[in-house]
Amino acid sequence: KQEVTQIPAALSVPEGENLVLNCSFTDSAIYNLQWFRQDPGKGLTSLLLIQSSQREQTSGRLNASLDKSSGRSTLYIAASQPGDSATYLCAVETDSWGKLQFGAGTQVVVTP
Amino acid sequence: DAGVIQSPRHEVTEMGQEVTLRCKPISGHNSLFWYRQTMMRGLELLIYFNNNVPIDDSGMPEDRFSAKMPNASFSTLKIQPSEPRDSAVYFCASGGTISAFGSGTRLTVV
Repeated sequence: KQEVTQIPAALSVPEGENLVLNCSFTDSAIYNLQWFRQDPGKGLTSLLLIQSSQREQTSGRLNASLDKSSGRSTLYIAASQPGDSATYLCAVETDSWGKLQFGAGTQVVVTP
Repeated sequence: DAGVIQSPRHEVTEMGQEVTLRCKPISGHNSLFWYRQTMMRGLELLIYFNNNVPIDDSGMPEDRFSAKMPNASFSTLKIQPSEPRDSAVYFCASGGTISAFGSGTRLTVV
């Protein structure tokens, strides 16, 4: 049974520092991996999708890596800003229909 | 495109009442998913459809929960009878290459 773990559960950094968020999964037979952002009381916004054949994906200040064999993904956010404060969720796609298995999330606070 | 639309945004109901949550997926997306989010259990997949056909309902917690997708532009999740432990945020998502989530329905059963 696939399990997705995110460490740390919470993180507080001063503005300008780089953020490193970790995600691990137990079954390497995944289709894709996605990183989402969730603001309080809101839905989920997809940030990056890494296909199983890819090693990394970049969008602006965000970079996500994927090591499928070791069951790990890392989300890097460069030069953090207070607006980056949110919960970040990692999800692995476990079948061809798009079924997602989520981690519990990392709650990020960026202080001015 | 307006994205995935869920209604209502908030629902407060008394224990034992029937609750119906609604979802309009993004046009052209073939898959539709219902998730539930709680503090204790995080985001859990309840059921999903492909081309309006239920594919996997193993996440539906009890027979009190049912979901339908009568056409490509509409789905419902029904709880009958509702219980306080059903209180959660229920998300609908539709999938193309990337899943798009609705804003959720916050359900409170008192």
